[in-house]
Amino acid sequence: DTEVTQTPKHLVMGMTNKKSLKCEQHMGHRAMYWYKQKAKKPPELMFVYSYEKLSINESVPSRFSPECPNSSLLNLHLHALQPEDSALYLCASSQGTSGFSYEQYFGPGTRLTVT
Amino acid sequence: RKEVEQDPGPFNVPEGATVAFNCTYSNSASQSFFWYRQDCRKEPKLLMSVYSSGNEDGRFTAQLNRASQYISLLIRDSKLSDSATYLCVLSRAKAGTALIFGKGTTLSVSS
Repeated sequence: DTEVTQTPKHLVMGMTNKKSLKCEQHMGHRAMYWYKQKAKKPPELMFVYSYEKLSINESVPSRFSPECPNSSLLNLHLHALQPEDSALYLCASSQGTSGFSYEQYFGPGTRLTVT
Repeated sequence: RKEVEQDPGPFNVPEGATVAFNCTYSNSASQSFFWYRQDCRKEPKLLMSVYSSGNEDGRFTAQLNRASQYISLLIRDSKLSDSATYLCVLSRAKAGTALIFGKGTTLSVSS
């Protein structure tokens, strides 16, 4: 079963709100990712967690704060977002990390609208 | 030069047609290669990994030419359900797990 789940499916928030996106996988994968995807564009990597430690931050603004409470869960905390942050936020996981890439499996995404 | 380049299409083909997508990459140290498909407003789904020896999965054949830094995907006997955006994806050499996506090629199969 290659299932990654994400909640919520849709989120509308104001610029002063604080919200969190959640991602879960039960495949025993040790690497988890956050991507951002704007309409008609490919996904852009935001963060990579490997063995529950942040290994890559693609110069993401601090209003996005990732958290990996355990090997199955990944959160993305949102605070003081801008309307241009409206996008589809995708979580993915892969078996692990090494000198080459394992296949990544994506969740259905959270469609975020910032008003 | 972009790290991954694809012809954006759209490719409009009739059912039963054979269609080929091409992708080039600029970083010769890229290590792993994949094709994903993405339906409108859905997440990317892994279609297949791409190996140097070439690999086939049913109607789909993927090829990798490291010397030319070129990847291809061939779809035979196109079905209506093949209509989607096909993303050429590779790993960034510096960090083994970070994926870089091409902009995607849109395929529309009509009856």
